[in-house]
Parts: sequence; structure tokens; C-alpha cells
Amino acid sequence: DAGVTQSPTHLIKTRGQQVTLRCSPKSGHDTVSWYQQALGQGPQFIFQYYEEEERQRGNFPDRFSGHQFPNYSSELNVNALLLGDSALYLCASSWYGQGASGYTFGSGTRLTVV
Amino acid sequence: ELKVEQNPLFLSMQEGKNYTIYCNYSTTSDRLYWYRQDPGKSLESLFVLLSNGAVKQEGRLMASLDTKARLSTLHITAAVHDLSATYFCAVDFLYPMDSNYQLIWGAGTKLIIKP
Repeated sequence: DAGVTQSPTHLIKTRGQQVTLRCSPKSGHDTVSWYQQALGQGPQFIFQYYEEEERQRGNFPDRFSGHQFPNYSSELNVNALLLGDSALYLCASSWYGQGASGYTFGSGTRLTVV
Repeated sequence: ELKVEQNPLFLSMQEGKNYTIYCNYSTTSDRLYWYRQDPGKSLESLFVLLSNGAVKQEGRLMASLDTKARLSTLHITAAVHDLSATYFCAVDFLYPMDSNYQLIWGAGTKLIIKP
């Protein structure tokens, strides 16, 4: 059973650069939610995608954008990277409207901005 | 404001002892979750609590939910070193505009269990 796959697992970028993170949801799931987890903190909701549209968004600047493809996979793009963007980025897949009771988390992408 | 508060944020305890982690939240919800996270790792789902009075147990961990008090507890019985980790509670808030949920997280409780 394929769970949620995230790539890459680790990434080092320079301030000002752009980055794209990828998430393939669990088979059968149609919704992808993205979270940022800074070191020593709880996850913060970035946004959620369903039917290739952003459905909800947390308190993140426009530098954070995303996309969902017809196969339900998703990308998270961050432009003009700041040191403060260094974090573990987690995606979770589910069925729309199910809430976190049906969440499956990926193993995350560790982004380091230098 | 939607808030989920955990306490304590840090807990150091001896093996064999019992302790409780508390999770309070600010608005109506009957869907609360507990997760475990080991250093550098992703989140592992421990408990899904979907109704008032729900109680679930797995090994030395037991979680409960009181939706009227907006409080959940995670009780650790006879702690062992392997339970050392960070524990998060998270609450699903339903947004009526799109009939969908948003998950709001506590800050986490870092638990260290000493032999």
C-alpha cells in the first residue's frame, strides 16, 4: 500500500532562491494539505488543495504557492527564500471533507536555507 | 482566535512514573488527535478522538476527550524510556463556508523519560 511520498527528503538552498517540494498522496485520496514545522515548534497549516484548487490557506505570505495536478499530486513552491523558511515541510493526504481523521502524513522534506 | 494549548511544554520524568499531558482548545470541536514525533521524523498518529467522552488506550498511553470542557488528556502509565518523544495534540475546526476542516496544532510536549 503506497502511503504519502514526499520529495526530496532534504534540500539546501540559498537565500533568495526558489524551491519546489513535491507530494504524492496515498492511493484513493483526493486532498493534499501542506504544513510547515520549524524546529521545536508545532506544525503550521500552509494550504490545502482539492480539485486542483487552493481551498484553504493559513497565515503564510504569497511567496508560498502551490499546485495540484489531475492525479492529485501536489507541489509547494516557495519564492525568495528567507532564513526563516528553514523547516520540515509535511504534506498530508485525505479525502475532502474528512478532516484529519483520515490523514496520512508523508515523511517530510527538510529544507535548510543558508 | 483558534488556539490549541498544551501543557506542560516540557516534561522530564523517571521510568515507572505516571503523568498527564493536557490539551485545551478555544472553540467548539469534537475531533481531536494525538500525534507522536521522534527527532527529525514525521508525525505518527496515536489517537483519534471523535466524540465527547471518547477514551482510547494503547499500551501505556490513554487519551480522553471532554468536548464540553474543551479538554483532552494524554495519560502515561508506568513510563518507559521508549516513550521519549514530542507529543502533539491537534483539533479539527469545521469551516461552515466550505464544510471542510482545518487542523490546528498545539505547540507540543517534549517528553524525556530517564532510566
